[in-house]
Amino acid sequence: QVQLVQSGAEVQKPGASVRLSCKASGYTFTSYHIHWLRQAPGQGLEWMGMVNPSPGTTFSAQNFRAHVTLSRDTSTTTVYMELRSLRPEDTAMYYCAKDHNIGSWTESFDIWGPGTMVTVSS
Amino acid sequence: QSALTQPPSASGSPGQSVTISCTGVSSDVGSYNGVSWYQQLPGKAPKLIISDVNQRPSGVPDRFSGSKSGNTASLTVSGLQAEDEADYYCTSHGDIKGVLLGGGTKLTVL
Repeated sequence: QVQLVQSGAEVQKPGASVRLSCKASGYTFTSYHIHWLRQAPGQGLEWMGMVNPSPGTTFSAQNFRAHVTLSRDTSTTTVYMELRSLRPEDTAMYYCAKDHNIGSWTESFDIWGPGTMVTVSS
Repeated sequence: QSALTQPPSASGSPGQSVTISCTGVSSDVGSYNGVSWYQQLPGKAPKLIISDVNQRPSGVPDRFSGSKSGNTASLTVSGLQAEDEADYYCTSHGDIKGVLLGGGTKLTVL
């Protein structure tokens, strides 16, 4: 079945970096964009950016461009998000989600990963 | 500050209908048929319940429906059930800005 499996919870100190992974299976990996979103405790969702697995292009929301690097590995059907210079306000659940549309990106995400909790604390 | 405006809360009694709005501007919600809605139960990942303004994915009950007028999209939940109590989010195609999100609406079933 179509699924996204995310890496495990992380605890990091301020100023550190973290790399989260999202492994896709059950569909043609290169045909659908993968999006990243986050949700701080008790807060709403924030869209961070997206990866087009083929040809590997990425787009990040303006608030995250200096802070986030998105990438993918087609050989392992895995998408990555690196978050740099972590701050306590980066403490959140991070989700990856598959676009429902083949080819071009949309605002519609039909499959979600379970999320990875990142805690930033000294 | 979210790009799309949703009411923070909504409520209704079992069996009633509730409508949640999602307001953008002419360059996003008003320009595209790309509006989706998600249901998020406590402690769970969001679930897609409406795409392309008014399309229900397979398995989503027909009690959930979507519409759009001008710069405002709406989600209507008819025949409210206790299991509908959740947070609801809208998204819109934002063109060069990427994906836009609403701040979320907490639906309470009284």
